[in-house]
Amino acid sequence: GDSVTQMEGPVTLSEEAFLTINCTYTATGYPSLFWYVQYPGEGLQLLLKATKADDKGSNKGFEATYRKETTSFHLEKGSVQVSDSAVYFCAPRGRDSSYKLIFGSGTRLLVRP
Amino acid sequence: DGGITQSPKYLFRKEGQNVTLSCEQNLNHDAMYWYRQDPGQGLRLIYYSQIVNDFQKGDIAEGYSVSREKKESFPLTVTSAQKNPTAFYLCASSTGQGTPYGYTFGSGTRLTVV
Repeated sequence: GDSVTQMEGPVTLSEEAFLTINCTYTATGYPSLFWYVQYPGEGLQLLLKATKADDKGSNKGFEATYRKETTSFHLEKGSVQVSDSAVYFCAPRGRDSSYKLIFGSGTRLLVRP
Repeated sequence: DGGITQSPKYLFRKEGQNVTLSCEQNLNHDAMYWYRQDPGQGLRLIYYSQIVNDFQKGDIAEGYSVSREKKESFPLTVTSAQKNPTAFYLCASSTGQGTPYGYTFGSGTRLTVV
């Protein structure tokens, strides 16, 4: 079935630093790919998505590009803010998982002033 | 505005008692899901339902039960058979079977056994 691997956290950055959170997936065919964000004590919110190869999802300054050749969907942001501190989940959704989202373990980001 | 509502936000239960967590959505979504999240951990799927009057076990269904009598509602019962029920519970819903659709999540219920 589908699976996903995220870089382990916590990731600690200073404000205005560049962020990369790595995500690689295993799936047959063309899964859609999602990034979700979870702020402390809350549910998950959809951050961005991409549904086919070479698509770039973007939202709130975050970006991720669907790289089928490397089966990756790395999350990036050019300049992080303290308010970006949260847990980030990568999740493919494809045929092999009966179209259920498969969540990674999550990566905690801590941004310091 | 459409959304998914979980209640209560905090719930306390004595050992040996069953407790039911509510999840309601007005998004007209067909599929609904229940996840458990432990501190510092990812999400684990408990049960899911893709259509009314039908549901399937997820990865950690033991000690839990669900029903799906209405499209809008997918309550989760944590039974006394669940040995370690203290956790954060998340409900989600989704439209369609296709891959382009993500999930909409509720704000969660934090259950504590006292």
